[in-house]
Amino acid sequence: GAVVSQHPSWVICKSGTSVKIECRSLDFQATTMFWYRQFPKQSLMLMATSNEGSKATYEQGVEKDKFLINHASLTLSTLTVTSAHPEDSSFYICSATLAATDTQYFGPGTRLTVL
Amino acid sequence: AQKITQTQPGMFVQEKEAVTLDCTYDTSDPSYGLFWYKQPSSGEMIFLIYQGSYDQQNATEGRYSLNFQKARKSANLVISASQLGDSAMYFCAMREGLGYGQNFVFGPGTRLSVLP
Repeated sequence: GAVVSQHPSWVICKSGTSVKIECRSLDFQATTMFWYRQFPKQSLMLMATSNEGSKATYEQGVEKDKFLINHASLTLSTLTVTSAHPEDSSFYICSATLAATDTQYFGPGTRLTVL
Repeated sequence: AQKITQTQPGMFVQEKEAVTLDCTYDTSDPSYGLFWYKQPSSGEMIFLIYQGSYDQQNATEGRYSLNFQKARKSANLVISASQLGDSAMYFCAMREGLGYGQNFVFGPGTRLSVLP
């Protein structure tokens, strides 16, 4: 149980295009999902907290208009990187909280490369 | 101030030996949870073990145990009988406060290398 999927696992795009990343909790409902960003050899940095049916809460320094988050259902949250630039290249990981255990379970991550 | 400190950037251990990965935390909230995750080279974050601030006993999960010293604010991960597959980055994380949906704060991580 407590499986979280992410799609795509990797994506290469041209500068200026938008990229959508999906995060799904496969066998449980998640009222809260989190989006993290991880640069090489660094720890995870929280970008935003996504709550089903409401607006996401962004961490300081994260541009809301650039990183659009939608949590349309209890099992799906999406992160859209709009007008991506090379500096947005990173490893993006989502997680979902399993209420019964208060543990965050992570997706396998999405490696984004912007050319 | 760092909420989670992992002072060992890298650790080596011989296969079949035990290893302790250090984690200290800083919080004034009496209710918190401590987590350890493993991140192999594939990038996936794998949940290992959880310790609640009110738990009286140290958490154990198979070969993983958590040495929880509340007064010292430390939550060290002990891996017994190391295996080659244990080579990975290990992150300590803390969730402050009660209630689901609270975000985690992660430490910088420790890279563990298990030697044959």
